[in-house]
Amino acid sequence: AQTVTQSQPEMSVQEAETVTLSCTYDTSENNYYLFWYKQPPSRQMILVIRQEAYKQQNATENRFSVNFQKAAKSFSLKISDSQLGDTAMYFCAFSSNAGGTSYGKLTFGQGTILTVHP
Amino acid sequence: EPEVTQTPSHQVTQMGQEVILRCVPISNHLYFYWYRQILGQKVEFLVSFYNNEISEKSEIFDDQFSVERPDGSNFTLKIRSTKLEDSAMYFCASSEWRNTEAFFGQGTRLTVV
Repeated sequence: AQTVTQSQPEMSVQEAETVTLSCTYDTSENNYYLFWYKQPPSRQMILVIRQEAYKQQNATENRFSVNFQKAAKSFSLKISDSQLGDTAMYFCAFSSNAGGTSYGKLTFGQGTILTVHP
Repeated sequence: EPEVTQTPSHQVTQMGQEVILRCVPISNHLYFYWYRQILGQKVEFLVSFYNNEISEKSEIFDDQFSVERPDGSNFTLKIRSTKLEDSAMYFCASSEWRNTEAFFGQGTRLTVV
């Protein structure tokens, strides 16, 4: 079974600064997907960024980028130029690509509460 | 933009009662999911559904839970005899294909009293 660990229960950052959220995972599989989801106070889960394990290049989406270290099983999220609207709970998630498992079957970490201060 | 919608947003039910949570997935999506988030805890996978049958389920998804796609648009989660520990936020999600991203609804907060 896969596990996802987020060791930072809470983080804070000043507006316009950069912050990095950590995530590690454990799996014996070689093909899988990793995601970061954002959950603002409205509670809806919003996909921020995804990474396919077979791709060496780190994914980037505007101000969001990841540092994917496959050998170390590490998947951190960097938010540049932080904005007040980035305040939310952030979840790291894993999805297997083995045995017909669907992309949407996700194993989530415990989450990190990020607060952006003005 | 298409979205997953869930109703109701909040439901209060008495212990032992049956409850049905409703979801309308995005119209061209084929895979459907339910997740649960107990307050202060991580989001947990319950079940995935494809081609009118359960494709995967977790150990949480025991006999008190069932899912159904009663028509071409709705996807429901039924809890037969609710317990206090079923109190949680329940999220529905859908994806177009097996290997495309899952879109989540806004959740239904279930409170069992």
